[in-house]
Amino acid sequence: QSALTQPPSASGSPGQSVTISCTGTSSDVGGYNYVSWYQQHPGKAPKLMIYEVTRRPSGVPDRFSGSKSGNTASLTVSGLQAEDEADYYCSSYAGSNNFLFGGGTKLTVL
Amino acid sequence: QVQLQESGPGLVKPSETLSLTCAVSDYSISSGYYWGWIRQPPGKGLEWIGSIYHSGSTYYNPSLKSRVTISVDTSKKQFSLKLNSVTAADTAVYYCARRGNNWSDFYFDYWGQGTLVTVSS
Repeated sequence: QSALTQPPSASGSPGQSVTISCTGTSSDVGGYNYVSWYQQHPGKAPKLMIYEVTRRPSGVPDRFSGSKSGNTASLTVSGLQAEDEADYYCSSYAGSNNFLFGGGTKLTVL
Repeated sequence: QVQLQESGPGLVKPSETLSLTCAVSDYSISSGYYWGWIRQPPGKGLEWIGSIYHSGSTYYNPSLKSRVTISVDTSKKQFSLKLNSVTAADTAVYYCARRGNNWSDFYFDYWGQGTLVTVSS
């Protein structure tokens, strides 16, 4: 099993939208609607932002949205704010009760 | 609100066994849910180690399966991780986390603050 592929970095100006991709295979991202996204600020634990591709936990702003096409899932952050600057990790179910994480994307708000 | 807190030695010698415990507050483990361990080497990404159901069923990352044991003690409201034959590559921040209550809940909604474990002689 290999980690899911994410771009190492992404950036956008306040108010803009940015999309982070997460590419896997038909055995993980493409095979199940069990993709989740986590936000991690420096020195902090990850925080669940999106689960089951598109669902937002209570308390997560609707500026955060998820989608999937084939073997690639995406996280879109609209109306970028300074506090959105963080590392973002995708995760997917990979069958047989296994999980895979992506390598992470550092989002910079310019 | 569920709270999780990791505890254990911050320094482990190579070839020895890493042992960590996760104490769960404001929720009874015996009531349900899956619980898991995830680690993050310094400056790197997250890696799922394994999960356990409240009944004791376990699921491990295939790459770590031969060295990992996760157990649960519902009476003490905690679950534990043991990783044997450690090397420097096992140096990481180790997080405990709660998965959903259903088998199909493949996400972690509550996390501990994490604890750094360094493998060094």
